[in-house]
Amino acid sequence: AQTVTQSQPEMSVQEAETVTLSCTYDTSESDYYLFWYKQPPSRQMILVIRQEAYKQQNATENRFSVNFQKAAKSFSLKISDSQLGDAAMYFCAYRSAGINDKIIFGKGTRLHILP
Amino acid sequence: GAGVSQSPSNKVTEKGKDVELRCDPISGHTALYWYRQSLGQGLEFLIYFQGNSAPDKSGLPSDRFSAERTGGSVSTLTIQRTQQEDSAVYLCASSPGRLRNTIYFGEGSWLTVV
Repeated sequence: AQTVTQSQPEMSVQEAETVTLSCTYDTSESDYYLFWYKQPPSRQMILVIRQEAYKQQNATENRFSVNFQKAAKSFSLKISDSQLGDAAMYFCAYRSAGINDKIIFGKGTRLHILP
Repeated sequence: GAGVSQSPSNKVTEKGKDVELRCDPISGHTALYWYRQSLGQGLEFLIYFQGNSAPDKSGLPSDRFSAERTGGSVSTLTIQRTQQEDSAVYLCASSPGRLRNTIYFGEGSWLTVV
């Protein structure tokens, strides 16, 4: 079974600085998708960025980018120029491209932005 | 509708009572997921519906939990004889289909068992 591990329960970063959130996963599959979701205090889960495993190029969305290392099964999220609105719980998630494509989430990293 | 809709948004119930939580997915989405999130914790997978296939119930924590999806659209998660440890946010999500990789979440139903 697939697993997703986020080893940093909490992190803090100074406003305008850069922070990297770690995520590793375990799978025997070769084709899958990876995601980072953000959950602010409102509880609404918001998709931040996604990566297809067959793509070697790292995904980027404005200030958010990933470092996808398929061989190492690592999928870290980098947030540049951190803003107060980035404060939230961040979840890394895995989705199989196979028949059973349920999504598995990590336990999350709570990110604090220091003004 | 425009997004995934869940009701009720908040529910307080007495221990031992049954509760039903409803999820109305985005129109046309064939995949529907239920997750449970306890306070400050990650998302625990409960059940997954994909089209007309048999649901994946592997995440349901006990036989007090059940879910159905009528007509391939609305889903109801039922918890019988609620216990205090059932207190959590129950999140529903839907997805366009097997080859479309983004899922969209509702705002959740916050269940408190007293």
